[in-house]
Amino acid sequence: AQSVTQLGSHVSVSEGALVLLRCNYSSSVPPYLFWYVQYPNQGLQLLLKYTTGATLVKGINGFEAEFKKSETSFHLTKPSAHMSDAAEYFCAVIEGAGNMLTFGGGTRLMVKP
Amino acid sequence: GAVVSQHPSRVICKSGTSVKIECRSLDFQATTMFWYRQFPKKSLMLMATSNEGSKATYEQGVEKDKFLINHASLTLSTLTVTSAHPEDSSFYICSARDLDRASGRADTQYFGPGTRLTVL
Repeated sequence: AQSVTQLGSHVSVSEGALVLLRCNYSSSVPPYLFWYVQYPNQGLQLLLKYTTGATLVKGINGFEAEFKKSETSFHLTKPSAHMSDAAEYFCAVIEGAGNMLTFGGGTRLMVKP
Repeated sequence: GAVVSQHPSRVICKSGTSVKIECRSLDFQATTMFWYRQFPKKSLMLMATSNEGSKATYEQGVEKDKFLINHASLTLSTLTVTSAHPEDSSFYICSARDLDRASGRADTQYFGPGTRLTVL
C-alpha cells in the first residue's frame, strides 16, 4: 500500500527566502510522484511530477523537486519565495500507471512580507 | 493543454433538492475521471472513480444512491447529489486522467476548479 506524509501542516517563510516543503512516501513499487498547488476556493494545479528519468524535476513558477529513492522523499523547493506562492501544497503518489492517486495531508505555505 | 472545467462553480440549494455538477475535459479525452470531496482545511477525499461507458467505482463509505455518477462520453462526467442535506455541503472537485506524452501511460490527473455546494 502507498502512503504520503507531508511534514508540517503549516510553513511560514519571508518573501525572498528559500521554500522547502517536505514529502515522504511509502510504496512497494517505483512510484510516480506529484506536487499540486491549491489557491483558495480553487481546484488543484499540477506543479510538477516525477515518473522516470532525471530525479531533479523542474516545474512551473520556479519550483523544483528531487526524487531521492534512498530517503523515500520528494521535497519541493523554490530558491526565493514570492507573496503569490502563498497557497496549499499537496504531495501525491501513485504506484505505477493507472492506479489511484494518494494525497498527503497538505502544507499551507504562508509568505511574510 | 490538459484543461478540466467544472460547472457550476458555486451552487446554493434547499434541503431535499438534487444538484448536478458537470466535469469536462476540454482538450483531451479522459477514459477515467475522479470525484473528490474536500472539507475545510483538509486534504482531498476520493469519492469515486468514473470510467467512460461503465458504472462508477465508489470508495468505502460513499453512498452510491446519494452520489450518482454518469460518464457518458470521453469528455464529460456528472455527479448528482440527490436529496441534498446540509451535511452534504462541501467543495467537490473532479479530475481527469490524461496520458503522459513521454511514456504514453495514463498517470497524470488534471483537476477542475471545484464546485462549492451549500445546502440550506
